[in-house]
Amino acid sequence: AQKITQTQPGMFVQEKEAVTLDCTYDTSDQSYGLFWYKQPSSGEMIFLIYQGSYDEQNATEGRYSLNFQKARKSANLVISASQLGDSAMYFCAMREGGTNAGKSTFGDGTTLTVKP
Amino acid sequence: DGGITQSPKYLFRKEGQNVTLSCEQNLNHDAMYWYRQDPGQGLRLIYYSQIVNDFQKGDIAEGYSVSREKKESFPLTVTSAQKNPTAFYLCASSIGTGLGGELFFGEGSRLTVL
Repeated sequence: AQKITQTQPGMFVQEKEAVTLDCTYDTSDQSYGLFWYKQPSSGEMIFLIYQGSYDEQNATEGRYSLNFQKARKSANLVISASQLGDSAMYFCAMREGGTNAGKSTFGDGTTLTVKP
Repeated sequence: DGGITQSPKYLFRKEGQNVTLSCEQNLNHDAMYWYRQDPGQGLRLIYYSQIVNDFQKGDIAEGYSVSREKKESFPLTVTSAQKNPTAFYLCASSIGTGLGGELFFGEGSRLTVL
């Protein structure tokens, strides 16, 4: 079974600084997708960034980048130049292929607080 | 605007009652999902549907039921068999079931059992 581990329940970062949110995963599949989502206090989930297991380059989307280390099975999210609006809960997720195609497994999340 | 609409936003239920949460999407997505989120925790998959008239159990399907009679709609019924139904429920959809398809979420429904 697939498993996502986020070891940082809470993180603090100073405004305008960079922060790394950790994510490790466990799967026996060769093909999978890795995602990060943001959940503000309103509750809605917002997609941030995607990395495919066969992608050789790390994904980037604006201030978000995904540090993908396949051999270590890690997919850390890096947020550069943190803003107050980045304060939220962040979830790492993995999507399966094969007979469970489309099924996504989520980690327990990391609560990020940006300090002014 | 395209998106996912969940209703109601807040729902109170007495023990022993079944309740149905609505989820409608106008994104023309094939796949739809229901997740449960407990306070301070991640999302756990209840049911998902890859195509109309077909659905699969997720990791915590006991006490829940779904139907997928139309592409746009994927209602979730929380039955009296669900022993601890108080939670935040999120409906999502994706274009298909490919690895790169991100999930689009509704705003959620918060169910409280009195």
